[in-house]
Amino acid sequence: GQQLNQSPQSMFIQEGEDVSMNCTSSSIFNTWLWYKQDPGEGPVLLIALYKAGELTSNGRLTAQFGITRKDSFLNISASIPSDVGIYFCAGQFTDSNYQLIWGAGTKLIIKP
Amino acid sequence: DGGITQSPKYLFRKEGQNVTLSCEQNLNHDAMYWYRQDPGQGLRLIYYSQIVNDFQKGDIAEGYSVSREKKESFPLTVTSAQKNPTAFYLCASSMQSQGPLHFGNGTRLTVT
Repeated sequence: GQQLNQSPQSMFIQEGEDVSMNCTSSSIFNTWLWYKQDPGEGPVLLIALYKAGELTSNGRLTAQFGITRKDSFLNISASIPSDVGIYFCAGQFTDSNYQLIWGAGTKLIIKP
Repeated sequence: DGGITQSPKYLFRKEGQNVTLSCEQNLNHDAMYWYRQDPGQGLRLIYYSQIVNDFQKGDIAEGYSVSREKKESFPLTVTSAQKNPTAFYLCASSMQSQGPLHFGNGTRLTVT
């Protein structure tokens, strides 16, 4: 079946550092989505990407839809304590949510 | 405020018992979903419903059942046939089968 490889699995960073994580797939996607999950809560959509090569920002977050349509990255600039949580990528072949494929998540931990 | 409410937050059951997880939304969304989340894995789709009185199996439906008698409600029953039911369960909804998923805050089920 389809698989998404998300890396790194976890990151330990200092406050103020930039963060980068990515997802790769063996298959082509039409949509890439990035969600964040805070402890004890459900995921919240951060950025949606719909076109190959698209670069989209949401505050300190920037995400790109890879040219090959098989990968995407998420960057966070100047990390702050509230950035901690688990970040998930999700890919979609069609417009239907029931065909979303999820990455395993990147856990972001900020060292005091 | 509109949103998705999952209850209870924590649920404990003995092996062999069926248990029902509640999910209610007041977003007037047509589509609703149940996901299972295990540590180190991406979200996996259990069941989804695009309209009242209709639902479809997701990737891991065995041992689970759902109903959709009202637009606002999509309860999930974890049956005794589910071999490994201990997990974090997330309910989500979307306007139709497309568009951003809105998640509830999850129910953590522990079966001993």
